[in-house]
Amino acid sequence: DAGITQSPRHKVTETGTPVTLRCHQTENHRYMYWYRQDPGHGLRLIHYSYGVKDTDKGEVSDGYSVSRSKTEDFLLTLESATSSQTSVYFCALGTGGSYGYTFGSGTRLTVV
Amino acid sequence: KNQVEQSPQSLIILEGKNCTLQCNYTVSPFSNLRWYKQDTGRGPVSLTIMTFSENTKSNGRYTATLDADTKQSSLHITASQLSDSASYICVVPGHAGNMLTFGGGTRLMVKP
Repeated sequence: DAGITQSPRHKVTETGTPVTLRCHQTENHRYMYWYRQDPGHGLRLIHYSYGVKDTDKGEVSDGYSVSRSKTEDFLLTLESATSSQTSVYFCALGTGGSYGYTFGSGTRLTVV
Repeated sequence: KNQVEQSPQSLIILEGKNCTLQCNYTVSPFSNLRWYKQDTGRGPVSLTIMTFSENTKSNGRYTATLDADTKQSSLHITASQLSDSASYICVVPGHAGNMLTFGGGTRLMVKP
């Protein structure tokens, strides 16, 4: 997808282990977001960032932390993965206004 | 609580036929409504964005309508193609412009 890359694309991890997902952009957007997508639910916001070292919680932030040490990278960390965190995770870029969200291709995470 | 409801949840149509997807929202204040297409294994891609003052907007074979009084939107697909098989997601920003409320999506399958 244009200007946004998520890694890894797939990951299987064991319960209790830490996991970090990476979102990288090449477009210098200020706003970046992490969502999770589960069957029966719309995409739900986990955390978002509005600048370097500026982050805030979304509606499903428990069990997740984020970091943004530079504009291009937004990291999502599961400190101790649980089976309920098995999901597809999407990163998105936003302009900060009313238009223009671009989503990454997603990371499929399975916690066993 | 802001909500976006979509119907139907799933739909199967024959190639070449038309279809209409529905979206009802209870988000206030309203600024705009977006329709996204999500192919299997991919992130959502924007189809159209409609502001308060727009009633109809077309993007090729896709036509979105908006009735801000009844808080309803529809996405009409004309002369469907196999490549239209995807999930279609209705999204409305909340009171903070960066906080999006996602509908659960309509899964469309176009059969030959």
